[in-house]
Amino acid sequence: DVKVTQSSRYLVKRTGEKVFLECVQDMDHENMFWYRQDPGLGLRLIYFSYDVKMKEKGDIPEGYSVSREKKERFSLILESASTNQTSMYLCASSEVSGNIQYFGAGTRLSVL
Amino acid sequence: QKEVEQNSGPLSVPEGAIASLNCTYSDRGSQSFFWYRQYSGKSPELIMSIYSNGDKEDGRFTAQLNKASQYVSLLIRDSQPSDSATYLCAVVRLIGSNYKLTFGKGTLLTVNP
Repeated sequence: DVKVTQSSRYLVKRTGEKVFLECVQDMDHENMFWYRQDPGLGLRLIYFSYDVKMKEKGDIPEGYSVSREKKERFSLILESASTNQTSMYLCASSEVSGNIQYFGAGTRLSVL
Repeated sequence: QKEVEQNSGPLSVPEGAIASLNCTYSDRGSQSFFWYRQYSGKSPELIMSIYSNGDKEDGRFTAQLNKASQYVSLLIRDSQPSDSATYLCAVVRLIGSNYKLTFGKGTLLTVNP
């Protein structure tokens, strides 16, 4: 079974803090993704990566950055957290581009 | 027109009935189609994939694809209360040199005992 692990289920941070969300997959997938999910807005793609050290902006990259130093790990960084970044963050991976994505359990981030 | 559209619901059906969930998409070049189920507070999990016109059955689930009409649907037979969840339609498009998976906002299904 594919396993995508997100480091935290719940996080509470203060405005202005630097926040790291970590995601690890164990299936040697090339592609990894970060989404946020908000009520009424659905899943929105923040960043994705098709290879190590490679990243591309998704639909809502503002206020976020990412890092992929190793194939299995994809990190989402909030340089200076703001209250409008309070959300559910979901990491996903896929073997090939455009194929089935497998999701981690999600991190519910609250920025106070 | 939105890329992937779903009726947000809620769709309410009695236990044992057939639940029908619909999804339309705007890009005629879309190639692969997926249905995910998401329980409240949980992450999406894949339940069906379909790539060619027609029906694909897996247990109580049937996915239907009509590329000419640009819609994909999911039928759930003998609905159970445990099927109560949000169902996300996802469509793969080729954008430039990359394939992109686009999700609908989901339809909330409630199965009443």
